[in-house]
Amino acid sequence: GEDVEQSLFLSVREGDSSVINCTYTDSSSTYLYWYKQEPGAGLQLLTYIFSNMDMKQDQRLTVLLNKKDKHLSLRIADTQTGDSAIYFCAESPGGSSASKIIFGSGTRLSIRP
Amino acid sequence: EAGVVQSPRYKIIEKKQPVAFWCNPISGHNTLYWYLQNLGQGPELLIRYENEEAVDDSQLPKDRFSAERLKGVDSTLKIQPAELGDSAVYLCASSSDTNEQYFGPGTRLTVT
Repeated sequence: GEDVEQSLFLSVREGDSSVINCTYTDSSSTYLYWYKQEPGAGLQLLTYIFSNMDMKQDQRLTVLLNKKDKHLSLRIADTQTGDSAIYFCAESPGGSSASKIIFGSGTRLSIRP
Repeated sequence: EAGVVQSPRYKIIEKKQPVAFWCNPISGHNTLYWYLQNLGQGPELLIRYENEEAVDDSQLPKDRFSAERLKGVDSTLKIQPAELGDSAVYLCASSSDTNEQYFGPGTRLTVT
């Protein structure tokens, strides 16, 4: 079945780069997403990548996709205190369930001074 | 443009009581989703609507959960009767394009 896995915690120093990793199982995934959730809030879509792309860059965010290994990563350059949140990796399977999104358990990013 | 609105934000009830959550999606968004988010987990889809039609309710526990989306705009999710294990955050999301779902702040339910 479909599954998305991520490490639970990541701690980085302010100003360094953060790299959050994710693996997924469904090779037919059409879209892969990164969402951000701050305390007490809903999920905010940060970026997504189509499965025929290897990389997508958007300001401080870089998404890398290794489709062969089913590995997705999110790099946040110059990490700031406002980046503290839980980051969810998610995939959208292909076929008739195209609108269904499967989420990982989230990676809690903490920033140390 | 207003985002997805949910109410109430917090609800505490005793087990076996009924509870209802309300969602107002972003104007013009035809697709509406209800998700369940347990502590330390990602959201899990309960039901998806296209306009007023429930097109995916395979994960909705139909013995106690029900949902409706009259007129294809606002939606209500109900639990009757609530159980201790239903304590979680209930998230509503909407989209006009399957690529981008916009989430509301959620309703945190505590069942005692």
